[in-house]
Amino acid sequence: SAVISQKPSRDICQRGTSLTIQCQVDSQVTMMFWYRQQPGQSLTLIATANQGSEATYESGFVIDKFPISRPNLTFSTLTVSNMSPEDSSIYLCSVAPGWYNEQFFGPGTRLTVL
Amino acid sequence: TQLLEQSPQFLSIQEGENLTVYCNSSSVFSSLQWYRQEPGEGPVLLVTVVTGGEVKKLKRLTFQFGDARKDSSLHITAAQTGDTGLYLCAGAPAGGTSYGKLTFGQGTILTVHP
Repeated sequence: SAVISQKPSRDICQRGTSLTIQCQVDSQVTMMFWYRQQPGQSLTLIATANQGSEATYESGFVIDKFPISRPNLTFSTLTVSNMSPEDSSIYLCSVAPGWYNEQFFGPGTRLTVL
Repeated sequence: TQLLEQSPQFLSIQEGENLTVYCNSSSVFSSLQWYRQEPGEGPVLLVTVVTGGEVKKLKRLTFQFGDARKDSSLHITAAQTGDTGLYLCAGAPAGGTSYGKLTFGQGTILTVHP
């Protein structure tokens, strides 16, 4: 397994601003994922962030809106740019350190955009 | 796109009752995971099943992977209020090229009343 922390845990932001979410893992992992989740609903994958390569974005998500950095094997950031109220959501990072594609999740960042 | 149909979406039961949550797909998965998520936290991995027909038990929870590896179920015996949460199934597509990515079901919100 892996222990993952996220910062901030929650934030309230103004429309048009940007927020950078940090994800720290206690061990080195190649594969890291960023998800979005509405409370009580399932997860939507935003992008896969592997160290040493550009992030791969899912349909409906673009790099200009959600730039991702992956400077090393234990850390990643997701920026939500030019925010609107529709970006209000929970943002989660996860890692897949082992076999069988098991993923381990951070506690999430609850974002509210006014 | 491989889909996982999870049902029911909502379950509201009394303490002591039994329940079953289902995940079904027309696609084959190389492995399938079940997660449980509480408010304000990230999903926590409960179990991974990888072999068709496999049954795993975790205290009062029983997980089964279908013989064809296209479906799975989670059965809880004598539910307790501490079982309340969002349950998610997630599968790794068999033979896929998107290593590490999971397909998530829609989730089941379970509420156990005292």
